[in-house]
Amino acid sequence: IQMTQSPSALSASVGDRVTITCRASESISNYAIWYQQKPGKPPKILIYAASVLQSGVPSRFSGSGSGTDFTFTITNLQPEDFATYYCQQSLTLPRTFGQGTKVE
Amino acid sequence: EGQLLESGGGVVQMGESLRLSCASSGFTFSRSAISWVRQAPGKGLEWVSGTSGSGTSKYYADSVKGRCTITRDNSKSMVYLEIHDVRHEDTALYFCAKDKSYDIVAGTYGMDVWGQGTTVTVSS
Repeated sequence: IQMTQSPSALSASVGDRVTITCRASESISNYAIWYQQKPGKPPKILIYAASVLQSGVPSRFSGSGSGTDFTFTITNLQPEDFATYYCQQSLTLPRTFGQGTKVE
Repeated sequence: EGQLLESGGGVVQMGESLRLSCASSGFTFSRSAISWVRQAPGKGLEWVSGTSGSGTSKYYADSVKGRCTITRDNSKSMVYLEIHDVRHEDTALYFCAKDKSYDIVAGTYGMDVWGQGTTVTVSS
């Protein structure tokens, strides 16, 4: 299953609302995951099951969607949110990731 | 929440083999599927291989299928990844990651614990 993520990069300011989309090449139900990665660090899970916030993750992060189309949103962007974000499908093997979105 | 620590990376000659290790602590290891995910320099994430909690189910990406073996030793809370006949395209930072689920075949809910990674550089 291919995951097509857009945009590949975006420019934003503190306080902004940021939206990233991910489209699966076939239905993955709600098996969409969103990760954040900062330079030199491993990915960190933010959202699973398309819309469930991982424990400890701030509520300004949210996700929605099902089937093939998914959206990830950051409201009130904070300085520590400048990073690269990836979607991933966890329905089938091999697991596949989107190309990433760099928020700068 | 747990921790994972990879080791075994380094410079390896093209065509040779390498073995990466992943040590876990702080969670019930045998209850979690484990995957290896790699990231080539400046590139995105690529899932490489995964194994179920028992170790009986093992899966590989097409890019390494036939050249790669994943094993786990639940008595030692360790996972290993062997790659044979390494190629330039195997150059990457390799992460091991714990799945939120026991089984890796069925739909799961992502990878919630990651190691810091170990770097593999394939040299000609």
